[in-house]
Amino acid sequence: AQSVTQLGSHVSVSEGALVLLRCNYSSSVPPYLFWYVQYPNQGLQLLLKYTTGATLVKGINGFEAEFKKSETSFHLTKPSAHMSDAAEYFCAVISFGNEKLTFGTGTRLTIIP
Amino acid sequence: DARVTQTPRHKVTEMGQEVTMRCQPILGHNTVFWYRQTMMQGLELLAYFRNRAPLDDSGMPKDRFSAEMPDATLATLKIQPSEPRDSAVYFCASGLPRGGANGYTFGSGTRLTVV
Repeated sequence: AQSVTQLGSHVSVSEGALVLLRCNYSSSVPPYLFWYVQYPNQGLQLLLKYTTGATLVKGINGFEAEFKKSETSFHLTKPSAHMSDAAEYFCAVISFGNEKLTFGTGTRLTIIP
Repeated sequence: DARVTQTPRHKVTEMGQEVTMRCQPILGHNTVFWYRQTMMQGLELLAYFRNRAPLDDSGMPKDRFSAEMPDATLATLKIQPSEPRDSAVYFCASGLPRGGANGYTFGSGTRLTVV
């Protein structure tokens, strides 16, 4: 069964610094990968999605993620953190032939002024 | 923007009572998921549907939970009888198979408190 592992349940970065949130997947076949963001008391919002093709995926709010098959990773980055980026971020996976959207445990991002 | 509508937003009920949560998926979306979110367990997949048919409900406690799609515009999640451990936020999400071009869209959730 496919799964994702998010390293670091809490990440703090200074405003203006690089944001790096880590996600590794386990799947026997090329997966579909997602990053979602959740603000307090809200539902989840899609940041970006990888299916096939270009391995660098650009999403909303200046975020991007790179699919690295050799490392089974799909890390989320943003060059310069903004206070409004403070939220919880979830990596998720669907494997080919399986429709289950499985989430990681989430990473809470705190931005230090 | 099209949105997934969940009702009620908040529900407080006594242990043993029946609870029904509703979800209106986005028109045209044929895949619907139900998730439960708690601090301890994170996001748990309870069930999901394709074209109103259940594909997998292995995440649901079968003795008390049931999920249905009476028609393409309504998905329901029922708990009977409810227990304090069911207290959580329940999310519905809809989309095209494998998320289509825009991923799955989540509703704002139903916050359930069972006392």
